[in-house]
Amino acid sequence: DTGVSQNPRHKITKRGQNVTFRCDPISEHNRLYWYRQTLGQGPEFLTYFQNEAQLEKSRLLSDRFSAERPKGSFSTLEIQRTEQGDSAMYLCASSQGLATDTQYFGPGTRLTVL
Amino acid sequence: KNEVEQSPQNLTAQEGEFITINCSYSVGISALHWLQQHPGGGIVSLFMLSSGKKKHGRLIATINIQEKHSSLHITASHPRDSAVYICAVVMRSQGNLIFGKGTKLSVKP
Repeated sequence: DTGVSQNPRHKITKRGQNVTFRCDPISEHNRLYWYRQTLGQGPEFLTYFQNEAQLEKSRLLSDRFSAERPKGSFSTLEIQRTEQGDSAMYLCASSQGLATDTQYFGPGTRLTVL
Repeated sequence: KNEVEQSPQNLTAQEGEFITINCSYSVGISALHWLQQHPGGGIVSLFMLSSGKKKHGRLIATINIQEKHSSLHITASHPRDSAVYICAVVMRSQGNLIFGKGTKLSVKP
């Protein structure tokens, strides 16, 4: 257990539905990252926060995706109008404050879109 | 071409063998991470390198900044080392990690 938790661990939804995932980072960590990983591939960066500010977003993050970290603590990732191609493991990681700091990963949320 | 390339993609070894996994990258970086991912998804950070060499138990990681290359070595491999090993770089211009596709290691008893 790295200290980073994610909920739910598994989500099965039908195409077109909205889903929301939650990440609770290590409490003193300022940075929070979201990644997506498909089978047999390495993770891909989606977005990251420094405290409550969303500093960078990947071009993978279409307008159907939105992430928030309202009080600089937990974060949510919402996917609207899900598509089958959204099926993946969504990983959250947190770190202290620098880009080079060790990132601590949560267990991930596995999304299956039917 | 991916910015981070790992080799080999798959590796099968006998218990006790010395293992090397390679990582090459094509961008300017501020640091390189080696990560371990077990079945079920959990990712654990093994090393963060910006130069030279680090050792932790049976694991050794090296980086050559000029050649844009890093290696992860496992001495006296054990079946519990079976996992996917992922190389990831922190680009100088960005804050996020860019990942390789991973090397799937299987150590047979």
